[in-house]
Amino acid sequence: AQSVTQLDSHVSVSEGTPVLLRCNYSSSYSPSLFWYVQHPNKGLQLLLKYTSAATLVKGINGFEAEFKKSETSFHLTKPSAHMSDAAEYFCVVSTRNLNEKLTFGTGTRLTIIP
Amino acid sequence: EPEVTQTPSHQVTQMGQEVILRCVPISNHLYFYWYRQILGQKVEFLVSFYNNEISEKSEIFDDQFSVERPDGSNFTLKIRSTKLEDSAMYFCASSVAGSYTDTQYFGPGTRLTVL
Repeated sequence: AQSVTQLDSHVSVSEGTPVLLRCNYSSSYSPSLFWYVQHPNKGLQLLLKYTSAATLVKGINGFEAEFKKSETSFHLTKPSAHMSDAAEYFCVVSTRNLNEKLTFGTGTRLTIIP
Repeated sequence: EPEVTQTPSHQVTQMGQEVILRCVPISNHLYFYWYRQILGQKVEFLVSFYNNEISEKSEIFDDQFSVERPDGSNFTLKIRSTKLEDSAMYFCASSVAGSYTDTQYFGPGTRLTVL
């Protein structure tokens, strides 16, 4: 079985300060891990993905995430938040034994304080 | 940049009615998916589709649901007799390949409201 836990349902940060969105996964097999972002009235957009290559993954808009197998974590970070980062963020896992099926976390709503 | 599109953006229907949600996947993609998100809950996998067949479906995807690729561009989800609990946001997605490492590209969703 596979599952994802997003530890915070809501995160607020001030503009220009670092962002940390936490994600822990559970998987019986080597996982692929994704972060998707959803802006209001928009589709789910891929930010970045990990597929067993480099453990530090860089994505779009300055986001990055580090795969830590020992901690079963895949936290999303950004050094300096921008107002346009306000959105819902989803951590997602898929594994070899469940080829096409994505398993989503519950999402973290990121609010940016001006 | 190519996008997955979905129509309508919002559908309101009466309980017991049939609805068809439409999606146009990215043109060179071969795998198609439907997910749904009930308000306040997780995004859940419904079904995957490849080569004109369902390749995997979840326990949610019962006999009330069906999918079809009626032509070379559209991918549809039909709910035969809607229930109140079918109210949700429905997302279509597509990918080039069906590997667990492959990226699924999502549409903006259709919000289905069953009254």
